[in-house]
Amino acid sequence: EPEVTQTPSHQVTQMGQEVILRCVPISNHLYFYWYRQILGQKVEFLVSFYNNEISEKSEIFDDQFSVERPDGSNFTLKIRSTKLEDSAMYFCASTVGQGQPQHFGDGTRLSIL
Amino acid sequence: SQELEQSPQSLIVQEGKNLTINCTSSKTLYGLYWYKQKYGEGLIFLMMLQKGGEEKSHEKITAKLDEKKQQSSLHITASQPSHAGIYLCGADITKTSYDKVIFGPGTSLSVIP
Repeated sequence: EPEVTQTPSHQVTQMGQEVILRCVPISNHLYFYWYRQILGQKVEFLVSFYNNEISEKSEIFDDQFSVERPDGSNFTLKIRSTKLEDSAMYFCASTVGQGQPQHFGDGTRLSIL
Repeated sequence: SQELEQSPQSLIVQEGKNLTINCTSSKTLYGLYWYKQKYGEGLIFLMMLQKGGEEKSHEKITAKLDEKKQQSSLHITASQPSHAGIYLCGADITKTSYDKVIFGPGTSLSVIP
């Protein structure tokens, strides 16, 4: 069964450094998402992406965050200057169309030191 | 207040017992999703409900969306250790947008053999 894949599974970065999290969505899906889950807290929406542009973003998704679909398969989340509070599990998700269930990857655990 | 609340927060049951998890929204639900998450791992899609009164089943798990579309229940029949994990309800609460999913805080289920 097709699945969303994320790399790396764990990323450790010094505060202030840039980090790029990578995702390969399911191949026929058109809508892409990033969520995050701080340890012990709820899964929170960050951003949605469709037709090569952001369709919606949350208050968390400030100027330090950006997303890109550099080719036909990858979908990336970049954090320009990481902060301690960016430490979380980051999930990528994709769906074939609006009103359809989102399928999630296994996540990247980001640890900021 | 939380947009989506789940009860109970945690549940410990003997193998073979039935159980129910509830998800209540402060707003009308335009789409309701149930996911399962194992600790430190990704979200596994279980079921999607969209119409008031809708009920879906998969193996020993049944989910219902009430007529007023503000509450859903997930029922597991004859629980097994493989059912253990965190159950998350997620919802579309904005009719004009299917983009973001709002998640509840989760219900942690342990099944004792």
